[in-house]
This record gives sequence, structure tokens and C-alpha cells, in this order.
Amino acid sequence: KAGVTQTPRYLIKTRGQQVTLSCSPISGHRSVSWYQQTPGQGLQFLFEYFSETQRNKGNFPGRFSGRQFSNSRSEMNVSTLELGDSALYLCASSPSGTPRAEAFFGQGTRLTVV
Amino acid sequence: AQTVTQSQPEMSVQEAETVTLSCTYDTSESNYYLFWYKQPPSRQMILVIRQEAYKQQNATENRFSVNFQKAAKSFSLKISDSQLGDTAMYFCAFINNDMRFGAGTRLTVKP
Repeated sequence: KAGVTQTPRYLIKTRGQQVTLSCSPISGHRSVSWYQQTPGQGLQFLFEYFSETQRNKGNFPGRFSGRQFSNSRSEMNVSTLELGDSALYLCASSPSGTPRAEAFFGQGTRLTVV
Repeated sequence: AQTVTQSQPEMSVQEAETVTLSCTYDTSESNYYLFWYKQPPSRQMILVIRQEAYKQQNATENRFSVNFQKAAKSFSLKISDSQLGDTAMYFCAFINNDMRFGAGTRLTVKP
């Protein structure tokens, strides 16, 4: 069974640009969550999607948005990039209809904003 | 607010010995899940062990076991017979509506 796939693995963007990250969950998983990991702030929850609906949202500005498609694949978008958005972005999928089950993580997308 | 605290930024252990990583959390919820994840240099987050708060019995997965003290809101991870491949960042995590992570403990297993 294929794991969680995140693309691209690495990205370099310029301040002010926007970026879209993609996450394909494990087959059959309907919940997808996104996390930002930085040395200073650690792992922080961005948002969670289930059946194409955003179910939970962390404390991030509106520049961070996401969506989920009918095949459960999810995208995360960051607009007007800032230097502080440089981070490892992790996606996780869960098999059940709640966020309480264990989460399976992808390898992440390393975003560098210059 | 739900918070997760890992008070040990770094730890080291000799190969084959036992090490315990600490985690405390704060929540007003009564039903939740706790996890330990491992993140090796490859960055892949790997689930080590999971504990459901309504279960009093401590979870065990081979060389990994937890000491879950619900009243004290403590969830420590014990690694027995440490192996070089256990070298990684270890994150304690709490799930109720969303997943909260501790700051992590960097564990180094020395030969």
C-alpha cells in the first residue's frame, strides 16, 4: 500500500509569490491534515480536511488556505509569501472519520522563501 | 488551550541500555489520544506508539512502552535495549479535535 505522497519535495520561492503544495493520502483515507514544522515554533497544526470540508483550523493567517478534492487529495496554498514561511510542511492522512485515529505522515515539502 | 510539554530537548543513551523520554500535557478533555512519533534525519514521521486515554493499561510495542498517568497528565516513553536506529527526534502528540505536538526530544544512541 502506497504511503502519503507529498509533492514537490523541495521548493524555493521569492517573497510575495504564492505556492501550492500537494498531498495524496493513503488509499481509502478520507482525512488529511497539514502541519508546519520550523526550528523555532516546532510542529504546528494548520488545518484538517475531511470529505472535502475543512473540519479544523489552526491559528494561522488567512494567507494559508487549503482544499480537498473528491479523491481525498489535498492542496495547501500560501499567498504573499514571507521569509518566515520557510519551513517543512507535513501532510498526514487518517483512515477514520475523526481526527482521533493515528496519522500517517508524508515526507514533507521543504519550502524556502528568499 | 491544550499544550504538550517535553522538558528534555536532548538525551543520549548507550546502545542496549534503557532510556525514558518525558511528556506532560494539559487538557480539560476526558477523552483523547496520545502518541509518540519518531522523526529520523529522513524527516519521515513514524508512529512509535499510541495510547487511548480511556484505557488504563499502558501501551506496549516491542521495545517501546509508555507510562501513562492520566491524573498527572503524564505520558512518558521508555525505550528498552536501545539500538543505533533509534537515533531520532521524538515527538509526543495529543489528539482531541486537532493534533498538538511537543517541542521534541533529540535522542542519540551511542555505540
